[in-house]
Amino acid sequence: DTEVTQTPKHLVMGMTNKKSLKCEQHMGHRAMYWYKQKAKKPPELMFVYSYEKLSINESVPSRFSPECPNSSLLNLHLHALQPEDSALYLCASSQLGTSHNEQFFGPGTRLTVL
Amino acid sequence: DAKTTQPTSMDCAEGRAANLPCNHSTISGNEYVYWYRQIHSQGPQYIIHGLKNNETNEMASLIITEDRKSSTLILPHATLRDTAVYYCIVRPTVPSGAGSYQLTFGKGTKLSVIP
Repeated sequence: DTEVTQTPKHLVMGMTNKKSLKCEQHMGHRAMYWYKQKAKKPPELMFVYSYEKLSINESVPSRFSPECPNSSLLNLHLHALQPEDSALYLCASSQLGTSHNEQFFGPGTRLTVL
Repeated sequence: DAKTTQPTSMDCAEGRAANLPCNHSTISGNEYVYWYRQIHSQGPQYIIHGLKNNETNEMASLIITEDRKSSTLILPHATLRDTAVYYCIVRPTVPSGAGSYQLTFGKGTKLSVIP
């Protein structure tokens, strides 16, 4: 199984809503990533979890709150978002402890903030 | 910031070889060159990577110049399904964040394969 799954596929939320994005992998990878991708732009790294601990936070606003409850799951909790946060949110995973770092990406969640 | 420069877009006739160039003139000795692609509305997909030598796998070939300042990704027989944005990424030598390696995507090359 070399698949990273993300749910939901699409999400529309208001600025006062609280929602969560979910990501799952069963490849035994111990690094998991959240990226944000605006239309016609490249993906930008938001967070990295290594061994279920947050290791990189690329100065992301606190209205985005990541969580890694176990080695297979990664969540992104959303609260009080702004319309400019509308984007494709991509999750990825990779092995740790090897020099080859192929990241496996999920299909993304397309988020629209009204 | 991304350490690579790629053409914004390229066209390729179906069945012909697609040659996608990438400049990475500031690459340092132990940094790898990675290529990913992103088909419309999908997540990026790993294609190939290399350090010094040319590499080939079932998807593509990677040619790295001797001075390592540029590389070319070759899709030997492009199909319509190869239409995508292709990203050339210089991957840091030193892992960040407890053993993970950060990928910084540049703007990429939009490859259009034409029937």
